[in-house]
Amino acid sequence: EVQLVESGGGLVKPGGSLRLSCGASKFTLRTYFIHWVRQAPGKGLEWVSSISSSSTYIYYADSVQGRFTISRDNAKNSLYLQMNSLRAEDTAVYYCASEGDSYGPYYFQYWGQGSLVTVSS
Amino acid sequence: EIVLTQSPATLSLSPGESATLSCRASQSISTYLAWYQQKPGQAPRLLIYDASHRATGIPARFSGSGSGTDFTLTISSLEPEDFAVYYCQQRSIWPPLTFGGGTEVEIK
Repeated sequence: EVQLVESGGGLVKPGGSLRLSCGASKFTLRTYFIHWVRQAPGKGLEWVSSISSSSTYIYYADSVQGRFTISRDNAKNSLYLQMNSLRAEDTAVYYCASEGDSYGPYYFQYWGQGSLVTVSS
Repeated sequence: EIVLTQSPATLSLSPGESATLSCRASQSISTYLAWYQQKPGQAPRLLIYDASHRATGIPARFSGSGSGTDFTLTISSLEPEDFAVYYCQQRSIWPPLTFGGGTEVEIK
């Protein structure tokens, strides 16, 4: 069974930084666009950022542009999200999500279990 | 940016009843729409892609329809495990990839 596993979440003060990681098992990330999606407590889903297979194309939501950096290491089958200048409104569960072979690009076929990021003083 | 508006926000139904969920796009997105189910404490799960195609393993009681700006997810006879929150998502014009605000299907 395909698994995506996030790590690196936790409690951080406003203005602080955090780096999320996402690894995959039984699935090779390197050929796919992969994404970060977040969900604030009790709220809906919000797309955060996406990166193409060779890192040529990188996109961010306006709400995180200039503060977050997405990257990937295909040799390590991993995805990262460097989050700087964190704000209270960045508090959320962060999911990594990947497209797959079956359903076409830019749909989220596989999801991690989520990593909680809490920004609070 | 494509805005997706889901209605109703909450649907109160009994097991065995049929559920009809709506997703409206702010401009035409052809059939580039997906539906996800999310249960408390879990990641979302892809149910329907390209408006009307069921993902592998999704029961036949789930069906999607629509094109352009108006889309519908129908659950023909609710099972206890179907009570959850449902989101639509478009991939037609991005960035950004956008989600609707969600519809909660709750037990009446």
